[in-house]
Amino acid sequence: DVKVTQSSRYLVKRTGEKVFLECVQDMDHENMFWYRQDPGLGLRLIYFSYDVKMKEKGDIPEGYSVSREKKERFSLILESASTNQTSMYLCASSLLGGPSNQPQHFGDGTRLSIL
Amino acid sequence: EDKVVQSPLSLVVHEGDTVTLNCSYEVTNFRSLLWYKQEKKAPTFLFMLTSSGIEKKSGRLSSILDKKELFSILNITATQTGDSAVYLCAVVGSGTYKYIFGTGTRLKVLA
Repeated sequence: DVKVTQSSRYLVKRTGEKVFLECVQDMDHENMFWYRQDPGLGLRLIYFSYDVKMKEKGDIPEGYSVSREKKERFSLILESASTNQTSMYLCASSLLGGPSNQPQHFGDGTRLSIL
Repeated sequence: EDKVVQSPLSLVVHEGDTVTLNCSYEVTNFRSLLWYKQEKKAPTFLFMLTSSGIEKKSGRLSSILDKKELFSILNITATQTGDSAVYLCAVVGSGTYKYIFGTGTRLKVLA
């Protein structure tokens, strides 16, 4: 079974802090994704990566950056946390081969609160 | 603009009822449509549909795609309280890694 592990289920940080959310997958997937999920807005893509050190912006990259130094690990960084970044953050991975052939597998999510 | 619309937004039924969830979409160069179930944690994959008219089935759940009318339905028969969840629909267009998600249908099944 595919396992996507997010480092924290719940996290509380203060405005202006630099925040790191970590995600690790154990299935050698090439593609990794970060989403945020908000009521009424669904899942919105922040960034994705299709290879080590490769990244592409999603729909809402402002205020975020990512790092992928190893194939299994994809980190989301909030450079200077703000209250409007309070949300549920979901990491996902999938095999290369085109998204039409490979479903994404999700981690359990990190519920982040910025005070 | 690519978009996915799910209906209804929420639904309350009793155990044993049959439910139909809808997902309509607009996407450039459609490649596939996926259904996920999200309980309290990670969305879990249910079905991926790429061809019109071919039903996918898993136990009491089934789904079908209509590429002409641009929609899919997810059916759940003989519902159980364990079916209570948010059901998410996503579509993928050609030449992109982006999965476009709908806002989900929240299903509550009462005992």
